[in-house]
Amino acid sequence: DTGVSQDPRHKITKRGQNVTFRCDPISEHNRLYWYRQTLGQGPEFLTYFQNEAQLEKSRLLSDRFSAERPKGSFSTLEIQRTEQGDSAMYLCASSLEGASNYGYTFGSGTRLTVV
Amino acid sequence: QKEVEQDPGPLSVPEGAIVSLNCTYSNSAFQYFMWYRQYSRKGPELLMYTYSSGNKEDGRFTAQVDKSSKYISLFIRDSQPSDSATYLCAMSKASNTGKLIFGQGTTLQVKP
Repeated sequence: DTGVSQDPRHKITKRGQNVTFRCDPISEHNRLYWYRQTLGQGPEFLTYFQNEAQLEKSRLLSDRFSAERPKGSFSTLEIQRTEQGDSAMYLCASSLEGASNYGYTFGSGTRLTVV
Repeated sequence: QKEVEQDPGPLSVPEGAIVSLNCTYSNSAFQYFMWYRQYSRKGPELLMYTYSSGNKEDGRFTAQVDKSSKYISLFIRDSQPSDSATYLCAMSKASNTGKLIFGQGTTLQVKP
């Protein structure tokens, strides 16, 4: 197992365009998390899935953001009508239920730049 | 006021020094405490975790939690240039979601 994989690593997009990121968690992990990290700040929780069910969403996740995890495997995070304020590192993490409170494994992130 | 406060630094120390990194928090519901290390343009990597109050040691790293003071620390002994990174404290409540609340991160530079 190669850990949590995120694609693409970098994305530059024009304001107003839609973007989609993909996360492949560690195969036996049933929980998947999305976080956003801006420069000089710690990661901020966006949403999490247990298997295919999206169980919690942050207030940070405006209606322009949508996340899916079909069949409880990989996940996608889509941002519609991107704004310059969306520029950040988008981090995905995964864990096993029960082990979640002891931390989890992060991917290397997708760095989004909106110009 | 943020739930978790962490001095962003930067902190610069000579190789071999003992490093002390700290976080304070305001929510007494936090029960699980973690330290992550993040290298530039990489995702955070879990270093240490503790449950409730107490100390935990792993090699050159020691994590301390003082719930009465709402204060957690990470000590790094015999610091190495390879320890240069951003250190993030994180914590979660005793719920089953595993959602983490992170500090801002402290940037550490260990000079040879």
